[in-house]
Amino acid sequence: DSGVTQTPKHLITATGQRVTLRCSPRSGDLSVYWYQQSLDQGLQFLIQYYNGEERAKGNILERFSAQQFPDLHSELNLSSLELGDSALYFCASSLSSGGAYEQFFGPGTRLTVL
Amino acid sequence: GEDVEQSLFLSVREGDSSVINCTYTDSSSTYLYWYKQEPGAGLQLLTYIFSNMDMKQDQRLTVLLNKKDKHLSLRIADTQTGDSAIYFCAESLSYGNKLVFGAGTILRVKS
Repeated sequence: DSGVTQTPKHLITATGQRVTLRCSPRSGDLSVYWYQQSLDQGLQFLIQYYNGEERAKGNILERFSAQQFPDLHSELNLSSLELGDSALYFCASSLSSGGAYEQFFGPGTRLTVL
Repeated sequence: GEDVEQSLFLSVREGDSSVINCTYTDSSSTYLYWYKQEPGAGLQLLTYIFSNMDMKQDQRLTVLLNKKDKHLSLRIADTQTGDSAIYFCAESLSYGNKLVFGAGTILRVKS
């Protein structure tokens, strides 16, 4: 158990809908990262937050947004869902940002868009 | 640019050594990582190496880094059936902390 929790574990929804994925980092970790794992794109970095502020952005679509709250949990919002958004979404957390701080990964949320 | 490549599949017999290879393109990579993903689970960090190191050993795991050729390898000694998983190579670039992952190598250990 990495100490990172993600809810829900599975999510099945329809095209055009909007969903919110939630992540609670390990106690004491200030940085949260979101990654998407799909068969065709592999594991891709989406976005990073550090202590409530956006720190880095990757291949995140405009239909997706994220935020980190004062209690350091993070939410990834996916809207106008398409079939191609079906993937495993991982959250990871680390103590700080930059350097060799290990990123601890949560178990992921499996999103299926029908 | 950022690109990490790995061979897709490796099959070994229990007790043999496994060597998983990875190449990366960005010479400014600061840290290189090996993650393990078991079915239905998240990613577990196995080990990492700083770019100014050539080798790192941690129990059954040996990481070799050839910075000139931008080649990273993970050797698992005495491979066990519990080592069957997908192994991801990843790099962390000097200008940020995001991880850039390879496509993953499926390791199958036959008993």
